[in-house]
Amino acid sequence: EDKVVQSPLSLVVHEGDTVTLNCSYEVTNFRSLLWYKQEKKAPTFLFMLTSSGIEKKSGRLSSILDKKELFSILNITATQTGDSAVYLCAVEALSGGGADGLTFGKGTHLIIQP
Amino acid sequence: DAGVTQSPTHLIKTRGQHVTLRCSPISGHKSVSWYQQVLGQGPQFIFQYYEKEERGRGNFPDRFSARQFPNYSSELNVNALLLGDSALYLCASSFSPGNTIYFGEGSWLTVV
Repeated sequence: EDKVVQSPLSLVVHEGDTVTLNCSYEVTNFRSLLWYKQEKKAPTFLFMLTSSGIEKKSGRLSSILDKKELFSILNITATQTGDSAVYLCAVEALSGGGADGLTFGKGTHLIIQP
Repeated sequence: DAGVTQSPTHLIKTRGQHVTLRCSPISGHKSVSWYQQVLGQGPQFIFQYYEKEERGRGNFPDRFSARQFPNYSSELNVNALLLGDSALYLCASSFSPGNTIYFGEGSWLTVV
């Protein structure tokens, strides 16, 4: 059974701090790892990672995948109150000609205090 | 361009009733997936449809069913509702399986 574990489950930091969110996974026939930000309803897409060691960046956010050690990290630098959200990590696998969908972790609830 | 749209946004149903949730994918996207998210958990995969055919099914009972129409919109049906079906139901679309998946705002279902 595919499994995604995120840590920490919750984190409170002050504005301006840098945070690192962790995601480890066990999956058969790995295709990709995705990060989403969920504030109230719809998870919004952040990154899709398929190759080890290649950092993806978007503004203050960056992420990297290690396919040998089966984990990914999401970094947020110079945090702002608008970064407060649940950050979800998910993996996608394929089985035969079908699709298993995304397997999500429980998420990291990040709170940025002014 | 419109994102993934879902309806209704909120609904309350009684145990034993049936519910239909609707989803329109992003224009040009042919793959639609459904997820259930209960409070405090990550979304859980229910179904994936691509080109109007079921491509994948998660670990949900037969009370859950779905279909995709020729215009690529989709419906999720849940029969014989249980209290435990109360959750946020998310629809997601992608151009095809393996491409980036984008989520809609979700439908909040409360079963009383």
